[in-house]
Amino acid sequence: QKEVEQNSGPLSVPEGAIASLNCTYSDRGSQSFFWYRQYSGKSPELIMFIYSNGDKEDGRFTAQLNKASQYVSLLIRDSQPSDSATYLCAVMDQTGANNLFFGTGTRLTVIP
Amino acid sequence: DVKVTQSSRYLVKRTGEKVFLECVQDMDHENMFWYRQDPGLGLRLIYFSYDVKMKEKGDIPEGYSVSREKKERFSLILESASTNQTSMYLCASSLWAGSEYNEQFFGPGTRLTVL
Repeated sequence: QKEVEQNSGPLSVPEGAIASLNCTYSDRGSQSFFWYRQYSGKSPELIMFIYSNGDKEDGRFTAQLNKASQYVSLLIRDSQPSDSATYLCAVMDQTGANNLFFGTGTRLTVIP
Repeated sequence: DVKVTQSSRYLVKRTGEKVFLECVQDMDHENMFWYRQDPGLGLRLIYFSYDVKMKEKGDIPEGYSVSREKKERFSLILESASTNQTSMYLCASSLWAGSEYNEQFFGPGTRLTVL
C-alpha cells in the first residue's frame, strides 16, 4: 500500500509569516506530486504540482521536492487569513491509470 | 473552465436503501474517480474508470458499484446503504492516463447521511 504522510496539524502562523507544510511518501518510484487546498465544506482545488527535484515557485507558493529523501513540501510566503484551509499532498501512482494517493492533510490557520 | 458537477450536495437515506450518486464532467476527460472523505482518514479511492464501460476497484470498493455508460457521466451506487457509508463523496475527473501530470478536478461533493 502506497503511503503519503502529513502532519495533521493544526499549524498556526501569524499573518505575513511563512507557512511550511511537509509531506513524505513511501513509493520511491513516484514521479509527480500535487498540493491541493481544501476549504472547510468545499472540495479540493489544485494549487501546485511538481515533478522535478528542487523548487517550483508560483506567486506566494513554492513547492519543494527531494526524491532522494522522498519528501515534498509547500511554502506559503506572506500568509494571509484566506490561506486558512486544509492542504492535501498527493502522489501519482505510476503503475496504472495514474491515480493519486492522498495524505490526510494539514490544517493551516493564519492568525490576523 | 473545467466543471465537474454532482447531482446532490446533501442526501439523507435510510439503511438498506439503494443510493445513486451521479457525476458529470464537461471537459471530455478520460478518467473519472469516486472518493469518500472522512475526518482523519483523508481521501480514499472507491472506484475509478479510464474509459466508457471500464471500471477498476480502488482501495475501498466493498459495498459500492459504479457505472459509466457515457464518457461524461460516472455513477456511484450503494446497493444497500449502511450507516458506515455516511460520508462526504467526491467525484473527480482527469485527462488520459498517459499525460505527464494528471491534475484531478473535483466536483463539489455530496454529503450523504445514512440513518
